[in-house]
Amino acid sequence: GESVGLHLPTLSVQEGDNSIINCAYSNSASDYFIWYKQESGKGPQFIIDIRSNMDKRQGQRVTVLLNKTVKHLSLQIAATQPGDSAVYFCAEIHFPFSGGYNKLIFGAGTRLAVHP
Amino acid sequence: SQTIHQWPATLVQPVGSPLSLECTVEGTSNPNLYWYRQAAGRGLQLLFYSVGIGQISSEVPQNLSASRPQDRQFILSSKKLLLSDSGFYLCAWITSGTDTQYFGPGTRLTVL
Repeated sequence: GESVGLHLPTLSVQEGDNSIINCAYSNSASDYFIWYKQESGKGPQFIIDIRSNMDKRQGQRVTVLLNKTVKHLSLQIAATQPGDSAVYFCAEIHFPFSGGYNKLIFGAGTRLAVHP
Repeated sequence: SQTIHQWPATLVQPVGSPLSLECTVEGTSNPNLYWYRQAAGRGLQLLFYSVGIGQISSEVPQNLSASRPQDRQFILSSKKLLLSDSGFYLCAWITSGTDTQYFGPGTRLTVL
């Protein structure tokens, strides 16, 4: 079936380095993608989103890249800080809507560990 | 601004006992509401969603049920808990007509 997955379950980086977290998706008809950050014991926090009519979107220290040709999504974090340590999920909106609701399909997650 | 609350934050229950988890949203009207479960170290599994009062759809047949007695209140219940019901339960909301889901702080449920 359709799925969203992640290439690397754990990513370790040094403080100050740039981090890149990758995600593959299988539904070529998907129109909208979201990255969430989840710290231990907390709910996922929205980071950044991108629609399929874009290939790049930037936020504060974060950039999401979308390559529809190979169905690949990435999250880049600049100057990674200890506070960035968390699990990062990509999520995909499945279209067309079913029953009038917005269904997100989540990947398994990548753990980012930032070392001083 | 919109906020979402979940309680309790943590819960330890014996097998066979009932369950009631509550989620409320403030600062928005007629949201779509969702219940997810997250097993330790895993991704999120959608359990239920609701587009309005009394309207509940189930994604996965299981030992749980959901209800929406008010516009901004979503309740997850069980009559008899199983060990496999342990997990981190997350409520999420979305404003109708938009795409981004926002999550609550979650409830950690341990069934012994």
